Amino acid sequence: GAVVSQHPSRVICKSGTSVKIECRSLDFQATTMFWYRQFPKQSLMLMATSNEGSKATYEQGVEKDKFLINHASLTLSTLTVTSAHPEDSSFYICSARASGGRGPSTDTQYFGPGTRLTVL
Amino acid sequence: DAKTTQPPSMDCAEGRAANLPCNHSTISGNEYVYWYRQIHSQGPQYIIHGLKNNETNEMASLIITEDRKSSTLILPHATLRDTAVYYCIVRGNNAGNMLTFGGGTRLMVKP
Repeated sequence: GAVVSQHPSRVICKSGTSVKIECRSLDFQATTMFWYRQFPKQSLMLMATSNEGSKATYEQGVEKDKFLINHASLTLSTLTVTSAHPEDSSFYICSARASGGRGPSTDTQYFGPGTRLTVL
Repeated sequence: DAKTTQPPSMDCAEGRAANLPCNHSTISGNEYVYWYRQIHSQGPQYIIHGLKNNETNEMASLIITEDRKSSTLILPHATLRDTAVYYCIVRGNNAGNMLTFGGGTRLMVKP
């Protein structure tokens, strides 16, 4: 149990285009999902927290109009990088926190495999 | 959330126990200690977590000192596939709390 998937696993796009990354909790419901970004040889940095059915909360310095987050259901969150530029190239990782009930340990965050974005 | 301090790197011989330390001297009473690891180019993998009692699962053991100011993650028989960056994170279990990653410990398991 406690599987989180991301799609696509890697994407290459041209500068100025938009890219959508999907994050799904496969075998549990996630009231809260998180999006992280990781640059080479650095640790994960939290970008935003999203709760199902409400607007995401962005960390300081993260542009909400550039990184659009939608958390439409208890198993799906999407991150759209709008008008991507080369400096947006990074490893994007989502995380889902289990809601109450049976299954994985409540309140534990489980991570997806990541999406490597390269903007040319 | 309280900050943690971990050594930047450690080596361990294959088959031996790997003991990864973590200091969290400012931990508060309702904060849990979580351990994750990240193998190169993958998302972090949950290992174990605890509040004050020692914990064990199929992956590892977590030993938390009585004053809760430090903990040790133990991989009883390290294999080459355990080579990864290990993150010790302290987090409250309220709905608004999230995981904040520090630098972690890069564990190299050697044959």
